[in-house]
Amino acid sequence: KAGVTQTPRYLIKTRGQQVTLSCSPISGHRSVSWYQQTPGQGLQFLFEYFSETQRNKGNFPGRFSGRQFSNSRSEMNVSTLELGDSALYLCASSWYGASYNEQFFGPGTRLTVL
Amino acid sequence: DQQVKQNSPSLSVQEGRISILNCDYTNSMFDYFLWYKKYPAEGPTFLISISSIKDKNEDGRFTVFLNKSAKHLSLHIVPSQPGDSAVYFCAASAESNYQLIWGAGTKLIIKP
Repeated sequence: KAGVTQTPRYLIKTRGQQVTLSCSPISGHRSVSWYQQTPGQGLQFLFEYFSETQRNKGNFPGRFSGRQFSNSRSEMNVSTLELGDSALYLCASSWYGASYNEQFFGPGTRLTVL
Repeated sequence: DQQVKQNSPSLSVQEGRISILNCDYTNSMFDYFLWYKKYPAEGPTFLISISSIKDKNEDGRFTVFLNKSAKHLSLHIVPSQPGDSAVYFCAASAESNYQLIWGAGTKLIIKP
């Protein structure tokens, strides 16, 4: 069974630009969660999608948005990039949701904002 | 407000000895706890979990202990092996909320 894939793996952008990251979950998984990881901060929850609906949202500004397609693939968009957005962005999929099943993570997208 | 805290950023342990990683939480509504392991350039991988109805869960060399009154959990690795060198995250959730809250991680270094 293929794992969670994320594209691109690395990305360099400049302040003010926007970026779209993609996540393909494990086949059959309906829940996709997105996290931001910065050094010393652990994983900060961005949002979770289940069956194309945003089910939960973390405390991030509206510049961070996402969506999920009917095939469970998910995209995350960050508009008007700031230097502080430089981080590893991880997505994770599970069958039902993080509370009930282990999440399977992708390798992440390393975003650098210059 | 950090609801899940891993107060040790790093821990160094001799190969073959016991590694004990600690995690404290503040939200009494948390009822499900997980440990993940992360190698560089990879996403975290699930290690072991425990629900609040238990105080111990074992899986091979890994044991998680939960002390609800102290709002504390710990992960024991016995014996520690070089491949255990990684960053370990604990995470917690409340049944009423699907969101996982994560600690900042502890970097475990196993010395040969």
